[in-house]
Amino acid sequence: DAGVIQSPRHEVTEMGQEVTLRCKPISGHNSLFWYRQTMMRGLELLIYFNNNVPIDDSGMPEDRFSAKMPNASFSTLKIQPSEPRDSAVYFCASSLAQGDEKLFFGSGTQLSVL
Amino acid sequence: DQQVKQNSPSLSVQEGRISILNCDYTNSMFDYFLWYKKYPAEGPTFLISISSIKDKNEDGRFTVFLNKSAKHLSLHIVPSQPGDSAVYFCAASGLGSQGNLIFGKGTKLSVKP
Repeated sequence: DAGVIQSPRHEVTEMGQEVTLRCKPISGHNSLFWYRQTMMRGLELLIYFNNNVPIDDSGMPEDRFSAKMPNASFSTLKIQPSEPRDSAVYFCASSLAQGDEKLFFGSGTQLSVL
Repeated sequence: DQQVKQNSPSLSVQEGRISILNCDYTNSMFDYFLWYKKYPAEGPTFLISISSIKDKNEDGRFTVFLNKSAKHLSLHIVPSQPGDSAVYFCAASGLGSQGNLIFGKGTKLSVKP
């Protein structure tokens, strides 16, 4: 298996622009997680899905952030409008089932908002 | 308030010696603990875990120790190798967390040849 695939690897955008990050989980995994890593806060959970349904979005910082999982093999994290403080590495991860703590992470998207 | 703390941002060890990475937690509901390893430009990868019913789990050169009364766990790497140089994240989950892991901020380990 190719593992969790994220795109793009790097994104540079200007403040106010819309940003869309994409994730393909490992086939057969039922849970999908979006994390954000910053120097100040480390790895924070933004939202997670189980069987394509959002279970907990309490980590989403503001209404500017939204996430969707239209099917078992694809998820997006959208920021609209983006701000410089959104600059971070965004990781997608998947696991076999809800409650399975062994997560498989993608390589991340390095987002820079100028 | 951080529920999982890794107080040492970095650690430098000589090749062949023991590396000890520490992690403290505050939530007594945590019952499962994991260590992840992260190389630059890659995502974290699972390394080893321990359930709260145990106080030690060993996998090759890696051993995790759990002290529930102190709310402390540690990862021992013996012997350390240059390829172990990475950032190590401690993570915890608890009853009802549904797999939601709380991560520490990580410790950067450098193993010098």
